[in-house]
Order: sequence, then structure tokens, then C-alpha cells
Amino acid sequence: EVHLVESGGGVIQPGGSLRLSCAASGFTFEDYGMHWVRQAPGKSLEWVSVISGDGSNSHHADSVKGRFTISRDNSKNSLYLQMNSLRSEDTALYYCAKDISQTTLVMGYWGQGTLVTVSS
Amino acid sequence: DIQMTQSPSTLSASVGDRVTITCRASQSVIIWLAWYQQKPGKAPKLLIYETSSLESGVPSRFSGSGSGTEFTLTITSLQPDDFATYYCQQYNSYVSFGGGTKVEIK
Repeated sequence: EVHLVESGGGVIQPGGSLRLSCAASGFTFEDYGMHWVRQAPGKSLEWVSVISGDGSNSHHADSVKGRFTISRDNSKNSLYLQMNSLRSEDTALYYCAKDISQTTLVMGYWGQGTLVTVSS
Repeated sequence: DIQMTQSPSTLSASVGDRVTITCRASQSVIIWLAWYQQKPGKAPKLLIYETSSLESGVPSRFSGSGSGTEFTLTITSLQPDDFATYYCQQYNSYVSFGGGTKVEIK
């Protein structure tokens, strides 16, 4: 059974940094692209980043480009999101999601999310 | 960026009703369109990808159609478990989601 567990969220001041982690199990991690998707309270979903199975390719949404970096460690079955220069508009529940294939950009399974609150 | 617009934003329906949700893209996404269901306090769940391909385990009362810029999600006979918010997502040019359609009890 696929299992994705996010961690690392919390309350952080504007301009601060945070690193989110996602522990994956139940599938061959390196065979799948992985995503971060966020959802601000009461709002729709916003895709943040994607990384290929081998970690060689990644892409970020314009709203986070230059501030956030997605990475993975296939030896630890783990996905990460380094978030720098955080802004109030980054406040959201951050989901880790598994692609249905290498990088079709369809999210076939989601974790339960970790909440990031950017506030002074 | 491709903008995705869903209508209606809220839909009131009864058990057994046929429900249709529309998703329009600001430019063609060909057939690269997915649908997700989200219940309160839960993560989204993939229902349909590639416009009409049903994800494994999803009931056959869910179906999708369309191409180019206009797509629909249809639930043929609404069940109590189907009251939720539905999102469309294009993946022709990276990823963008629609604003969501909340299906509520009439």
C-alpha cells in the first residue's frame, strides 16, 4: 500500500526558511516522479514543484521559482522541499504527491499534508 | 500559464441525480485533463486522467469527456459518498488546477 507522510511544517516568520520532508513507502520510489502541491485555507489547489524519478529534472511554479527547491533522496525514499524567503501568501497545507508514472504530471496518490503558516 | 475555469462553483443535488461539472481551459490542453475529488479535511483523490480514463477503483458512475478547451465530469447517479469538492487539472503545459466545484446536498 502506498504511504506518503509529510513533515516539517510549522509557524515561520516572513523571510524565514523551512524544509519539508515526505517519507514514501509501498512502491519503488525511484520509478516515479514526485510533486508538491499546496492548498491555502479555503482555497483551490496550487501545484508547486515536480521532480523526476532519478532527480535529474525538476520544475517549479513561477510563484515559487528562485525561492523553493525540490529534491529527493532515493536511498531514503524521501522527497524534500526547501522553502526560502517565505511570504504570507505561502501559508498553506503542503501535500506530497506521487505521479502515476515517471512524470505524466498526474498525481495518483497524495499524503495528508503538513501545514505551513507564515506570520509575524 | 493555462487558466482553468470550473462551473458551477457550487452545485446542489440529491441522491440519484445526474450531475455534470464543466471545466474550461484558456487554451487547448488537447486531452491532458484530470479530475480529483476532495472531501473536507482529506487529501484529493484522483478520479479520471487523460480526459476519460478511470483510475483503478473509481466507480463507473464517474465519467469524463471533452477535448481541447472544454471538458466535463459526469456522475450518473449521485451517491451519498459523492458529496465533495471536485477539481479539474490540466497537464498539457506543466500543471494548473481549476477553482473547484462543491457538490452539496440539496
